[in-house]
Amino acid sequence: AAGVIQSPRHLIKEKRETATLKCYPIPRHDTVYWYQQGPGQDPQFLISFYEKMQSDKGSIPDRFSAQQFSDYHSELNMSSLELGDSALYFCASRGEGTGELFFGEGSRLTVL
Amino acid sequence: GDSVTQMEGPVTLSEEAFLTINCTYTATGYPSLFWYVQYPGEGLQLLLKATKADDKGSNKGFEATYRKETTSFHLEKGSVQVSDSAVYFCALKMNTGFQKLVFGTGTRLLVSP
Repeated sequence: AAGVIQSPRHLIKEKRETATLKCYPIPRHDTVYWYQQGPGQDPQFLISFYEKMQSDKGSIPDRFSAQQFSDYHSELNMSSLELGDSALYFCASRGEGTGELFFGEGSRLTVL
Repeated sequence: GDSVTQMEGPVTLSEEAFLTINCTYTATGYPSLFWYVQYPGEGLQLLLKATKADDKGSNKGFEATYRKETTSFHLEKGSVQVSDSAVYFCALKMNTGFQKLVFGTGTRLLVSP
């Protein structure tokens, strides 16, 4: 069965650079969630989209932005990267109704 | 707001020992409850879930029962293996609104031979 696909799996950037993470949800899932997990931390909710519109917002820094496209994939854009942005970024998708969230493998961002 | 509280780790056990990881929640309604497991260097895997009071979720020998009266969802396993060493996250999701997952802080389990 198709799962949530995230790319890239690993990314190394310098401070002040920009990075873009991509998430491809499970087919027919219309809701996407982004989470950030710092080293030794629990996943923190960043932002979510439903039907290409932002539906909820968590602790996403102003330097970050995200969107969901017409094919339902989502991109998380991070600018002016800081050392503290080094983390595992998870994307999850959910279908209609009260279904569970399915997580991707995550994208590990390292900022040097 | 909605929140999840887990016992702090690490929990260190010998192989074949009994495991309990406590989880309690605070929510304004009736959430669904989940346990996720994260192995070193890997992503989040759903271990088990329960969607209403008194439901028992089970998978791979792990069990958890949704207790509304104590707002708890404790994870148990009768006999742990070295391969169970991982970080376990308890989480809740409201079934209306935006339905995001709210995670606890995670509990690291270390099982020695």
